Amino acid sequence: RKEVEQDPGPFNVPEGATVAFNCTYSNSASQSFFWYRQDCRKEPKLLMSVYSSGNEDGRFTAQLNRASQYISLLIRDSKLSDSATYLCVVNPSNTGKLIFGQGTTLQVKP
Amino acid sequence: DAMVIQNPRYQVTQFGKPVTLSCSQTLNHNVMYWYQQKSSQAPKLLFHYYDKDFNNEADTPDNFQSRRPNTSFCFLDIRSPGLGDAAMYLCATSRGQGFDEQFFGPGTRLTVL
Repeated sequence: RKEVEQDPGPFNVPEGATVAFNCTYSNSASQSFFWYRQDCRKEPKLLMSVYSSGNEDGRFTAQLNRASQYISLLIRDSKLSDSATYLCVVNPSNTGKLIFGQGTTLQVKP
Repeated sequence: DAMVIQNPRYQVTQFGKPVTLSCSQTLNHNVMYWYQQKSSQAPKLLFHYYDKDFNNEADTPDNFQSRRPNTSFCFLDIRSPGLGDAAMYLCATSRGQGFDEQFFGPGTRLTVL
């Protein structure tokens, strides 16, 4: 079983749609969680950290469920510019070593 | 105001010919990382430096070496590149270990002929 698993997609949605991605992780002792965004042939960039209480940043909402060991990302009112690969990232211990999921590709269509 | 800079952005080398990739940072972060990312795959950590303390991942081939002469610079040396080493190489930094966000450079795309 992979340490971090994501549905690779692609998710093809129309503009304005709401889309949700899920990610599961295997190490129950994992300490911190992130969603990164990666555009084609570019570097990953932090989208948001994921806190136990859940957090929201504009159209983006991240949730963490420690009991079930999954993380979610909800994007509301999708824009064309949201088209990218979204990487679920887990820090399994306090070492700075991040474990990346394979990424979920989102394509927002006009 | 680039914070993590990688040079070159594109590197072409021949099979077996040593190559060095460069990373520099203006963030004064303690930790620097090197990742390898192949097409449609997740970034894979090769090694990282916490200050001068080098940490190699267990499955990183011996063909890959790294140097960090000072806080700002870190180098990735590939001693004898094979065709399977063609990939995007990403450098990242973080203030410390643990919960800190990692900032990535734009990457160097390596082609091996």
